[in-house]
Amino acid sequence: DARVTQTPRHKVTEMGQEVTMRCQPILGHNTVFWYRQTMMQGLELLAYFRNRAPLDDSGMPKDRFSAEMPDATLATLKIQPSEPRDSAVYFCASGLGQGGQPQHFGDGTRLSIL
Amino acid sequence: TQLLEQSPQFLSIQEGENLTVYCNSSSVFSSLQWYRQEPGEGPVLLVTVVTGGEVKKLKRLTFQFGDARKDSSLHITAAQPGDTGLYLCAGATPSNTGKLIFGQGTTLQVKP
Repeated sequence: DARVTQTPRHKVTEMGQEVTMRCQPILGHNTVFWYRQTMMQGLELLAYFRNRAPLDDSGMPKDRFSAEMPDATLATLKIQPSEPRDSAVYFCASGLGQGGQPQHFGDGTRLSIL
Repeated sequence: TQLLEQSPQFLSIQEGENLTVYCNSSSVFSSLQWYRQEPGEGPVLLVTVVTGGEVKKLKRLTFQFGDARKDSSLHITAAQPGDTGLYLCAGATPSNTGKLIFGQGTTLQVKP
């Protein structure tokens, strides 16, 4: 079965450091989503792309977060500088980008900022 | 802003019991999906309901979409420990962008 691959699976770093999370979407999927999951807020949409172009990044703190798709096989989410409140599990999902189509999630990057 | 409210947030029951999880909104969705998430993994799609009033069954799980397409429910019959996990409902917006609005989730624990 095709899967969304996220790296790293775990990341522990100190406040102020740059963090880069990577995602390989399922081949053929044209839409990629970045989510953040915490106990308090649940699953929050940060940004999403269609055909590598950003469609909506309104859920993302613009001053420190950035999301890109350098090519169709790679999506990145960067945090610079990181803060303790960024600690969460970050998920990437991909899909066909049409209403009602399922999103296929990776297993997430568990990020801890000390 | 479209919101989906799930209830209950937490549910702990004994094996063999029945349960229902609710997902409610004041907004209309073009379709609604249910996902299950296990610890250390991403959510996995269980079912998509599209038509108002639609009922879908997946073994012991029964999913229903409200007539007005604003709410949904998940009913589990004779719950098993393997049903333990986080259940998420997600609504597709009529704008057809592929974006989903997720509920806060229901954490289910089924004790043997």
